[in-house]
Amino acid sequence: GAGVSQTPSNKVTEKGKYVELRCDPISGHTALYWYRQSLGQGPEFLIYFQGTGAADDSGLPNDRFFAVRPEGSVSTLKIQRTERGDSAVYLCASSLFRYRNTEAFFGQGTRLTVV
Amino acid sequence: GDSVTQMEGPVTLSEEAFLTINCTYTATGYPSLFWYVQYPGEGLQLLLKATKADDKGSNKGFEATYRKETTSFHLEKGSVQVSDSAVYFCALMKAGANSKLTFGKGITLSVRP
Repeated sequence: GAGVSQTPSNKVTEKGKYVELRCDPISGHTALYWYRQSLGQGPEFLIYFQGTGAADDSGLPNDRFFAVRPEGSVSTLKIQRTERGDSAVYLCASSLFRYRNTEAFFGQGTRLTVV
Repeated sequence: GDSVTQMEGPVTLSEEAFLTINCTYTATGYPSLFWYVQYPGEGLQLLLKATKADDKGSNKGFEATYRKETTSFHLEKGSVQVSDSAVYFCALMKAGANSKLTFGKGITLSVRP
């Protein structure tokens, strides 16, 4: 497809379980971002990849959160020992090149519900 | 740290009414400013942007001017349509090593026929 694809669109998991959220960016986009959007709030930055490396992970809330992008394309956000407070919409975005403020294209998000 | 403050919502207007959505920011340096829109059932889309003071971004009849003296980037449209009903987010991005989008809380706009 032409846009950023995120799967699954919805995920319900039990407290304490492990989850993986997938992001397939626009082909050729080297920059990839993860954001988290809680109910009634704007998206909050989690982590940024330039190519395969995490260039900025300052937004990850704690060490239960981890993300990878092993081949510089698809990225996976991994959450261990999920808590109810992790319930949110997780957004992925990609862009051609970060430093020139080029447009970031967003996926539709994964709605995570921890019960 | 950097932050974006948007006026409280929701906002409900009649079709063809004038729209203003206020946005102010706090940031060091000279950020770029953005308005993103999220239509029902869709992902966030860039609506318009401005990269330096006094720049005006415009798209789809919407406009916003980067005002450094008041640290504002208010969104305006002269005549709204039902199809403009959506959630609107103001955001900033600072160039450099820590560049990332910082968003406001968003505001829901509903336009009645």
